[in-house]
Amino acid sequence: GESVGLHLPTLSVQEGDNSIINCAYSNSASDYFIWYKQESGKGPQFIIDIRSNMDKRQGKRVTVLLNKTVKHLSLQIAATQPGDSAVYFCAENISPSGYSTLTFGKGTMLLVSP
Amino acid sequence: DAGVTQSPTHLIKTRGQHVTLRCSPISGHKSVSWYQQVLGQGPQFIFQYYEKEERGRGNFPDRFSARQFPNYSSELNVNALLLGDSALYLCASSLVSGSYEQYFGPGTRLTVT
Repeated sequence: GESVGLHLPTLSVQEGDNSIINCAYSNSASDYFIWYKQESGKGPQFIIDIRSNMDKRQGKRVTVLLNKTVKHLSLQIAATQPGDSAVYFCAENISPSGYSTLTFGKGTMLLVSP
Repeated sequence: DAGVTQSPTHLIKTRGQHVTLRCSPISGHKSVSWYQQVLGQGPQFIFQYYEKEERGRGNFPDRFSARQFPNYSSELNVNALLLGDSALYLCASSLVSGSYEQYFGPGTRLTVT
């Protein structure tokens, strides 16, 4: 499929390393933050989310950290595998007037070498 | 379980034409959102529909329109196509309009020549 990663910041790691992907967000009113993984030719796939009143949340091999002071979000992937190679987007959720809309960041391409 | 499905997968159109893209949400989901993803960028919100009514609209011209049917499937229509409309069009479904948990389909790749 056609790559979604054209001209995106790229993080290259070796298999087994830990990866950290960073994201800056803009809206203080965002109530949830979500990380998505997008492989070539596919739609974004949900990885993990964090509510705005939390600063850390852990999943299976992934951890999300939220720093509201500097409006910064990070995704940590432990023991990165070749299958983790993809473009990663952070998204902030805002719920004006009762409906939910996601605003996506620019994305980071993660390349994992065996 | 069937996820979000979209059709067609790929589409090539000429400037000035119109296009209709289709989306079927996950069974039980009543809300559908449409996003445009230009190559190298993140998805950008176009519309959200819930119970056949438009609940939200992004910063897109009136050439873009959508609707939702009683079975909760949805269509996105784009008139008077421009070269800049070339993008991956993503549909996402959620249980209700106020849920941030949106599940994306594989998208329709639209190329305008």
